[in-house]
Amino acid sequence: SQQGEEDPQALSIQEGENATMNCSYKTSINNLQWYRQNSGRGLVHLILIRSNEREKHSGRLRVTLDTSKKSSSLLITASRAADTASYFCATARGADGLTFGKGTHLIIQP
Amino acid sequence: DVKVTQSSRYLVKRTGEKVFLECVQDMDHENMFWYRQDPGLGLRLIYFSYDVKMKEKGDIPEGYSVSREKKERFSLILESASTNQTSMYLCASRIDGGPLHFGNGTRLTVT
Repeated sequence: SQQGEEDPQALSIQEGENATMNCSYKTSINNLQWYRQNSGRGLVHLILIRSNEREKHSGRLRVTLDTSKKSSSLLITASRAADTASYFCATARGADGLTFGKGTHLIIQP
Repeated sequence: DVKVTQSSRYLVKRTGEKVFLECVQDMDHENMFWYRQDPGLGLRLIYFSYDVKMKEKGDIPEGYSVSREKKERFSLILESASTNQTSMYLCASRIDGGPLHFGNGTRLTVT
């Protein structure tokens, strides 16, 4: 069952610009995680934000969480060509692993 | 760094064959997972395991089984492969409550 839904499905920006992706989910969560997937590879964990946190930073990444709106956003600042990838939000379903959205495909144009 | 290794990157099998997808992790993680990824459908959980010899069905277990005889190894079995099982298969592991660590995936084609 799909819990998170990313928006937009695809995003194309110029190198150096900021990229913002959004995620909405339906039920209450323990935490929300963001992952990156380069073409044809496995997913790589980027950042985890717990349900009692509102904002978290990691390098050029900034994640926000609004549990009242059941939404999260991922901001990548000063984008680089290497940031071209698909980005997924995932919500914890208790102990049963994670439920993933369908992803945002981000393209950074040089 | 955690390493999750999937035995094959690409696999081509015929309809009706029995297929084994192997996954090994080197960080003593209790929990292991198998997902499949399809265009437009995202990642869907097939099976997961909390511990050796334990298994739980995910969202789409039909047509699959799993085996976890050792803590580090989690195998996905397609008893009789069908064309609708052509997909990218992703194995992952984690400690309780931690993030998932994924392998690089196995792209399976069933002809």
